[in-house]
Amino acid sequence: GAGVSQSPSNKVTEKGKDVELRCDPISGHTALYWYRQSLGQGLEFLIYFQGNSAPDKSGLPSDRFSAERTGGSVSTLTIQRTQQEDSAVYLCASSFRQGQETQYFGPGTRLLVL
Amino acid sequence: ELKVEQNPLFLSMQEGKNYTIYCNYSTTSDRLYWYRQDPGKSLESLFVLLSNGAVKQEGRLMASLDTKARLSTLHITAAVHDLSATYFCAVSVLNTGGFKTIFGAGTRLFVKA
Repeated sequence: GAGVSQSPSNKVTEKGKDVELRCDPISGHTALYWYRQSLGQGLEFLIYFQGNSAPDKSGLPSDRFSAERTGGSVSTLTIQRTQQEDSAVYLCASSFRQGQETQYFGPGTRLLVL
Repeated sequence: ELKVEQNPLFLSMQEGKNYTIYCNYSTTSDRLYWYRQDPGKSLESLFVLLSNGAVKQEGRLMASLDTKARLSTLHITAAVHDLSATYFCAVSVLNTGGFKTIFGAGTRLFVKA
């Protein structure tokens, strides 16, 4: 069946512009996660959703970052007034439910802020 | 604060050799994950270890979990070039906002033919 999909796959933007990254989880998965991976680094947890709710937003790096999920499905991660340090691969994952379950990852969005 | 540490961070080995990657974590958790990431690709789940003493094997990879020592190992037997990738361990812990998954920094494995 279909896996987690993300769009765009690549995004180049200018410093100060806003960007929106989209994630389509596996159908039926109630939990959705966003991570950031800088070049050659591990994964930095950003936020997760259980249904449409985000109980833990502590991983968001600054108030320029926000995320929402509608209909318990698609999620959007928005970065306002992008900075060069925002350049990274943004990975989305989903699992059947939130908790101690295997997460299935999407291919990622490679963001480059010039 | 939960910390997950892997070592080594970089491993270059010859085909046919054996080696072990270590994953230490700093707080109680009874579920540990191993993922593989190929260059330019996303993460693929390898193993989920659910309890103390759990051992799982898939091909040339074997993972184990010791929750008392807060240690997991990923053992590579008779390495082949196709195993070249970055391997991440991850731990889920319960915090005030629900479960949080913390990843180690990754071990970049290169198997030389």
